[in-house]
Amino acid sequence: GENVEQHPSTLSVQEGDSAVIKCTYSDSASNYFPWYKQELGKRPQLIIDIRSNVGEKKDQRIAVTLNKTAKHFSLHITETQPEDSAVYFCAASPNDYKLSFGAGTTVTVRA
Amino acid sequence: SQTIHQWPATLVQPVGSPLSLECTVEGTSNPNLYWYRQAAGRGLQLLFYSVGIGQISSEVPQNLSASRPQDRQFILSSKKLLLSDSGFYLCAWSRGTGGHEQYFGPGTRLTVT
Repeated sequence: GENVEQHPSTLSVQEGDSAVIKCTYSDSASNYFPWYKQELGKRPQLIIDIRSNVGEKKDQRIAVTLNKTAKHFSLHITETQPEDSAVYFCAASPNDYKLSFGAGTTVTVRA
Repeated sequence: SQTIHQWPATLVQPVGSPLSLECTVEGTSNPNLYWYRQAAGRGLQLLFYSVGIGQISSEVPQNLSASRPQDRQFILSSKKLLLSDSGFYLCAWSRGTGGHEQYFGPGTRLTVT
């Protein structure tokens, strides 16, 4: 099955700086890569996703890049704000049914 | 628009007691449904998924079971809870065809004592 590795496990950034989280996947058939944000005690929320026919996607301060050859994808958050503090999960899917999640990255934005 | 409900929100149960968690989805037909467990400070573990009524796939062998008695209803059960069953249980749905995006319910926080 699909195996997703996520790094780093924790990330502390100064407010206004950028944050980058990286994930690698094992199944070359994976074609959908979402990112979720989970605030403490809440449900994971889908914040951005990318499909294998696209190399980059942006939505305001967040962007995701995908390198299919190297089988890795990354989340970039620019101009970080305190409300960006949360746990972020990447995932990969080789079909319409299942997502394989990374272990998560705890992001702390220092004021 | 689609809405996903889970109940109860929190639950404290003794070891050896039974469990029943319910999830319902509104505003869509024939969704794929999922049960995940999240231990404290950990990632998301897929427990079961269902692509239709009565169709259940198990990802992790354990003392839990799932059922889908209606199109938009998904139930997670156990006959006898273990301490290791404590965690945050999340139900999720996705579109039945051509849809990868999964949307999570509010979750049930289960503490087994």
